[in-house]
Amino acid sequence: AQKITQTQPGMFVQEKEAVTLDCTYDTSDPSYGLFWYKQPSSGEMIFLIYQGSYDQQNATEGRYSLNFQKARKSANLVISASQLGDSAMYFCAMREGTGNQFYFGTGTSLTVIP
Amino acid sequence: ETGVTQTPRHLVMGMTNKKSLKCEQHLGHNAMYWYKQSAKKPLELMFVYSLEERVENNSVPSRFSPECPNSSHLFLHLHTLQPEDSALYLCASSQEVVQRRYGYTFGSGTRLTVV
Repeated sequence: AQKITQTQPGMFVQEKEAVTLDCTYDTSDPSYGLFWYKQPSSGEMIFLIYQGSYDQQNATEGRYSLNFQKARKSANLVISASQLGDSAMYFCAMREGTGNQFYFGTGTSLTVIP
Repeated sequence: ETGVTQTPRHLVMGMTNKKSLKCEQHLGHNAMYWYKQSAKKPLELMFVYSLEERVENNSVPSRFSPECPNSSHLFLHLHTLQPEDSALYLCASSQEVVQRRYGYTFGSGTRLTVV
């Protein structure tokens, strides 16, 4: 079974609008961390936001926020006020316990339309 | 400029060639990773080095050979590759498991094409 599932291969959003990118995860470890990365066409993976399994509040970083629904095992990324520079691939990832390995989803390609 | 530098950015090699990918970080991290990124597939972890020792090798074919001479450098030696090995190879680094809140720092990757 996949550890991370991203069901949206591609998404479009109008500039200045908000967009939600979906991510569900699968783990039996009570301690885990969830991450979102952005990969522009240059190839570099850029860390955006982190949510710990024991965190009481949803994480926020500037225009990025994470809608964490633990019972549903979902960790959706919300980007507010989309900008043209937000066009990229977005990957959800999970780290279980104290392990070094990250599990990645297949990614969502976001295109911001002017 | 990312804190993790990968060279070369692009590489085209024949199936009988031998080449090496290089990764360098000066972030003070003590764990380094090689990932393979193929189209429409999740990133695949290939190797993990922690404190310069290999701690994970996820059933990677022997035609890929990693080397970590010190905590700042990581190599991936390639020989007799197959066309299906064409992919983006990403290097990443991190602090050891203590700081779980922080994700990896990735390089920009090497786009490898095997002809």
